[in-house]
Amino acid sequence: EAGVAQSPRYKIIEKRQSVAFWCNPISGHATLYWYQQILGQGPKLLIQFQNNGVVDDSQLPKDRFSAERLKGVDSTLKIQPAKLEDSAVYLCASSLSEGAGELFFGEGSRLTVL
Amino acid sequence: RKEVEQDPGPFNVPEGATVAFNCTYSNSASQSFFWYRQDCRKEPKLLMSVYSSGNEDGRFTAQLNRASQYISLLIRDSKLSDSATYLCVVNERRGSTLGRLYFGRGTQLTVWP
Repeated sequence: EAGVAQSPRYKIIEKRQSVAFWCNPISGHATLYWYQQILGQGPKLLIQFQNNGVVDDSQLPKDRFSAERLKGVDSTLKIQPAKLEDSAVYLCASSLSEGAGELFFGEGSRLTVL
Repeated sequence: RKEVEQDPGPFNVPEGATVAFNCTYSNSASQSFFWYRQDCRKEPKLLMSVYSSGNEDGRFTAQLNRASQYISLLIRDSKLSDSATYLCVVNERRGSTLGRLYFGRGTQLTVWP
């Protein structure tokens, strides 16, 4: 069974530039999550989708971050404009349903903002 | 105050040692609890769920103390392959949603030969 796919794996940009990350969850998984993991810290939830609807985006910095899951399958996370403190690994995860304890993570997209 | 607190370590133990990690959570309404494992520069993966009665999976034992809002993970007979970061995860139900998973910062374990 294919896992969660993410791209790109690595991205280096300068501050104030924009970047977009893509995620394709495990087939049949209704819930999709974007997490931000800064070095030395645990993953922090940015946004959670149930099918194509947003369940929780309370920790998403909406002035610069946006995410969509238009058809309820794959998703895109965008940062515009990027700041130095956005340097992190952006992890996409999926689960069969909301509230499921087992999340399946992709390998992540490592962002460096210079 | 963080939702989930963990001692970041690092814990450095020899092969065969027994090591225990602790975790505390702030919300008494938290519903379910998990330990995830994250290898260096890899994604987190579920290690085990934590049940109220305590549960064991081979060399790993997880315990939950709801009164003290405390979770533990015990690893017996440590192997080199156990070297990783162990993340304590708490599912907190909020309103009508089934909850959000809060991750601790992780406890780093290195097992040496």
